Amino acid sequence: AQSVAQPEDQVNVAEGNPLTVKCTYSVSGNPYLFWYVQYPNRGLQFLLKYITGDNLVKGSYGFEAEFNKSQTSFHLKKPSALVSDSALYFCAVRDPEGNNRLAFGKGNQVVVIP
Amino acid sequence: DTGVSQNPRHKITKRGQNVTFRCDPISEHNRLYWYRQTLGQGPEFLTYFQNEAQLEKSRLLSDRFSAERPKGSFSTLEIQRTEQGDSAMYLCASSLAQGRLAKNIQYFGAGTRLSVL
Repeated sequence: AQSVAQPEDQVNVAEGNPLTVKCTYSVSGNPYLFWYVQYPNRGLQFLLKYITGDNLVKGSYGFEAEFNKSQTSFHLKKPSALVSDSALYFCAVRDPEGNNRLAFGKGNQVVVIP
Repeated sequence: DTGVSQNPRHKITKRGQNVTFRCDPISEHNRLYWYRQTLGQGPEFLTYFQNEAQLEKSRLLSDRFSAERPKGSFSTLEIQRTEQGDSAMYLCASSLAQGRLAKNIQYFGAGTRLSVL
């Protein structure tokens, strides 16, 4: 079964500094990988996905993520963090040869300090 | 608003009561998913529909839980004889699946927060 690990509970970063949120995955085949963001009392908003092709994926709001097959990682990055980026970030994986469910990590709280 | 809509947003009930939640997916989406999210955790898959057919159920979906999507549009999730452990956020998502290896993106609603007293 597929699974995701997000090793850090909270990521603190100063406004304007680079932001990285880590994610590693486990899946039997080639993974479909996703990042979502959740603001308080809101649903999950899709940020970006990796299906195939270029390992560097660009998404919404200036976010990007790099797929690294050898390290089974899909870290989320943003070159310059904004205070409005403070939210809960979830990495998710789907095994395209298996079922249709997404397996989510436990999430990372990102706090951008003004 | 053309996103995924869930009602009610909040539900408070007493232990032992039955509750029902509704999800209206994005109109052209043929797949609909239910997830449960507890505090400090990521969403956990419960079940999914392709059109009106329920194709997959998680072992988390005990016999007190039932989901329907009778006309392939909106879906309901019913919990019978609620327990305090059912307190969670129930999230609905929908996607448009095309082809065998659908590279679909699941779009989520705002969720229904259930509190069982």
